[in-house]
Amino acid sequence: AQSVTQLDSQVPVFEEAPVELRCNYSSSVSVYLFWYVQYPNQGLQLLLKYLSGSTLVESINGFEAEFNKSQTSFHLRKPSVHISDTAEYFCAVSGSGNTGKLIFGQGTTLQVKP
Amino acid sequence: KAGVTQTPRYLIKTRGQQVTLSCSPISGHRSVSWYQQTPGQGLQFLFEYFSETQRNKGNFPGRFSGRQFSNSRSEMNVSTLELGDSALYLCASSFSGRMNTEAFFGQGTRLTVV
Repeated sequence: AQSVTQLDSQVPVFEEAPVELRCNYSSSVSVYLFWYVQYPNQGLQLLLKYLSGSTLVESINGFEAEFNKSQTSFHLRKPSVHISDTAEYFCAVSGSGNTGKLIFGQGTTLQVKP
Repeated sequence: KAGVTQTPRYLIKTRGQQVTLSCSPISGHRSVSWYQQTPGQGLQFLFEYFSETQRNKGNFPGRFSGRQFSNSRSEMNVSTLELGDSALYLCASSFSGRMNTEAFFGQGTRLTVV
């Protein structure tokens, strides 16, 4: 069975500092990996995704994530965070089979302090 | 292009009642998935519909059911509500529901059972 582990439930960081949100997955088959962001009282928004090809994927707002097959990881990084990045971040892996099922980690709350 | 629309946004029900939540996917999307989000259990997959057929189902009791109409709109129903059903219910749509396609989420319906 596939699973996702987000190693930190909360990550406090000061504005303009770098941040890394960790995600490890477990799967016996090829996977597709996603990072979603959720702002208070909102749904989920896709931040970035790894489907195939380059293992380093980037979002339009400065986040990047690297797929590491040997370490079964897909950590999310940003070199300099802003107050507006405060949100909950979810790592997800596609379920097996021909479905759209996503398996989510427990989420990491990023708290950016001024 | 309109996003995924979920109605209502907020709902308060009494234990033992039933409730129906609605989800209108992005135009052209044929796959609709439902997720339950709670502080304790995180995001859990309920079920997925594709072309009016349930394609995948999560580990929830039979009180949770759903359906999809010919226009791809979907409803989920919860009968005999319990306090533990209080949650944010999220709907996601995608074009094909295949593992490598992006899922777009609605803002959710927050259900409170009293």
